[in-house]
Amino acid sequence: SYVLTQPPSVSVAPGETASITCGGNNIRSKSVHWYQQKPGQAPVLVMYYDSDRPSGIPERFSGSKSGNTATLTISRVEAGDEADYYCQVWDSNSEHYVFGTGTKVTVL
Amino acid sequence: EVQLVESGGGLVQPGGSLRLSCAASGFIFSNYNMIWVRQAPGKGLEWVSHISSTGRDIYYADSVKGRFTISRDNAKNSLYLQLNSLRAEDTAVYFCATGKIPGPSDYWGQGTLVTVSS
Repeated sequence: SYVLTQPPSVSVAPGETASITCGGNNIRSKSVHWYQQKPGQAPVLVMYYDSDRPSGIPERFSGSKSGNTATLTISRVEAGDEADYYCQVWDSNSEHYVFGTGTKVTVL
Repeated sequence: EVQLVESGGGLVQPGGSLRLSCAASGFIFSNYNMIWVRQAPGKGLEWVSHISSTGRDIYYADSVKGRFTISRDNAKNSLYLQLNSLRAEDTAVYFCATGKIPGPSDYWGQGTLVTVSS
């Protein structure tokens, strides 16, 4: 089955840049979406189709993809960005949605 | 305003059954594919099942195939998940969400907790 691997945690100081990676075999051929989830809340879409930002999501959030890795970048990190982040793809081979393992972003 | 409201969760014994519902409002439900996603306590997100807008195309995660059944009633703007032969490892918060292939899930409900325990 298809696997998406994320680092368990990323720590960043306020005002700095956080980069969250999502690795998967041949991910370049898939559309990657990113969700933010705060404790006790439902996930919120923060990036879709690799690098498109939904309305209401700050421009500080950006997405990219290179090789076998997709990356969600949060610039000028704020305390309110502290959350778990998940990448997601549709795997057409298995006809399954796949979520990444999740990354906890801690703002120091 | 788009709203997805799950219900039907609760405490059930191993081997038991439960039916989850998701009531949709604020958008044309019949135009949207829908999915169920679950999250075990302290764990990550796990996709459970997908149903197309017409109900024709249905997919399941391997972990629930043969035990769970997804369905929808477009006339009632409602999505369902029938959970049978429940196991302790099915304990989780179950979210309903809109789904696209291969697109994102734009809208999510707040979830309903299913606890499988004797």
